Amino acid sequence: KAGVTQTPRYLIKTRGQQVTLSCSPISGHRSVSWYQQTPGQGLQFLFEYFSETQRNKGNFPGRFSGRQFSNSRSEMNVSTLELGDSALYLCASSFSSSPLHFGNGTRLTVT
Amino acid sequence: AQKITQTQPGMFVQEKEAVTLDCTYDTSDPSYGLFWYKQPSSGEMIFLIYQGSYDQQNATEGRYSLNFQKARKSANLVISASQLGDSAMYFCAMREGGTSYDKVIFGPGTSLSVIP
Repeated sequence: KAGVTQTPRYLIKTRGQQVTLSCSPISGHRSVSWYQQTPGQGLQFLFEYFSETQRNKGNFPGRFSGRQFSNSRSEMNVSTLELGDSALYLCASSFSSSPLHFGNGTRLTVT
Repeated sequence: AQKITQTQPGMFVQEKEAVTLDCTYDTSDPSYGLFWYKQPSSGEMIFLIYQGSYDQQNATEGRYSLNFQKARKSANLVISASQLGDSAMYFCAMREGGTSYDKVIFGPGTSLSVIP
């Protein structure tokens, strides 16, 4: 069974630009969560989607948004990038109450 | 609000020795799950072990065991017979039941270094 796939692995963007990250969950997993990991703030919950609906949202500005498609694949978008958005963005999927299964992450650098 | 505390920013352990990584949590929800994840320098998050709040016995998975003390709100990870490949960041995490179904909160992590 294929694991959680995140693309791209690395991204370099300039301040003010926008970026879209993609996540394909494990087959059969309908819940997809996104996390931001930085050295200073650790792992912070961004949002969680289930059956194309956002069920939970963390404390991030509206520049951070996401969506989930009917095949459970999810995208995360960050608009008007700031230097502080440089981070490792992790996507995780789960089935029912199973543990989160993470992808390898997308490392975003904003210059 | 839920919160996870890991008081050991860094730990060292001799190869083949056992090590305990501390985790305390705070929640008012009677139904919750506790997890431990390992993150090597490569960045991937690897699930290690799970403990449900209603589980009567401590969880074990190979060399990993979870010392669950519900009254103290403590969920320490014990790694037996440490190996060099165990050197990594370790995160304790919690998921509450109810509407926060898949909102998992992570602690700040503990960096474990295994010494040959």
